[in-house]
Amino acid sequence: SQQGEEDPQALSIQEGENATMNCSYKTSINNLQWYRQNSGRGLVHLILIRSNEREKHSGRLRVTLDTSKKSSSLLITASRAADTASYFCATDAEGGSEKLVFGKGTKLTVNP
Amino acid sequence: DTAVSQTPKYLVTQMGNDKSIKCEQNLGHDTMYWYKQDSKKFLKIMFSYNNKELIINETVPNRFSPKSPDKAHLNLHINSLELGDSAVYFCASSQGLAEIGTGELFFGEGSRLTVL
Repeated sequence: SQQGEEDPQALSIQEGENATMNCSYKTSINNLQWYRQNSGRGLVHLILIRSNEREKHSGRLRVTLDTSKKSSSLLITASRAADTASYFCATDAEGGSEKLVFGKGTKLTVNP
Repeated sequence: DTAVSQTPKYLVTQMGNDKSIKCEQNLGHDTMYWYKQDSKKFLKIMFSYNNKELIINETVPNRFSPKSPDKAHLNLHINSLELGDSAVYFCASSQGLAEIGTGELFFGEGSRLTVL
């Protein structure tokens, strides 16, 4: 299965701290994406990193990709209560299948 | 304007009934999807259409039938509903095959289906 696995399943931190979430996957990929889902809402795209990229930044987000280890990490710096959400990684298989496969998500709670 | 909108947001129905969920996107995207999210938040793709043509059909019971009247709409009809169909169903769209791989997905807010 191509499915990504996020780690940890749940993470609770204080406002201002950094949050790191990890994702591992099984097959070769074209790209890896991270999404956020607030409670009761749809998923929102955060960042896409291609298989030939190693690191990408977007505001307070930093994503790394290690294709040799088939893993990625999402770092949220200086977290805020509004960052409380579930975070999912998603991969598409090399060769282009137009199918994004999602992991099980990390539930992040940022306490004020 | 909502980019991807789906209706209804909530649906409560009895086992054995037939129900439909509708989805529309105003982004001009070529590809639309249905995903199912279970109670453990696991998100699994069900179907994908590109320009009204079915391109992905995962192992889904044939009680589920998607229909795409045009590339801006993708509806999901479910026959003979079962308890296990209770979930949140998400519609999504994307620009289609990116130069390399699948691009960003835009999701609707979800339709929570409860089968009693």
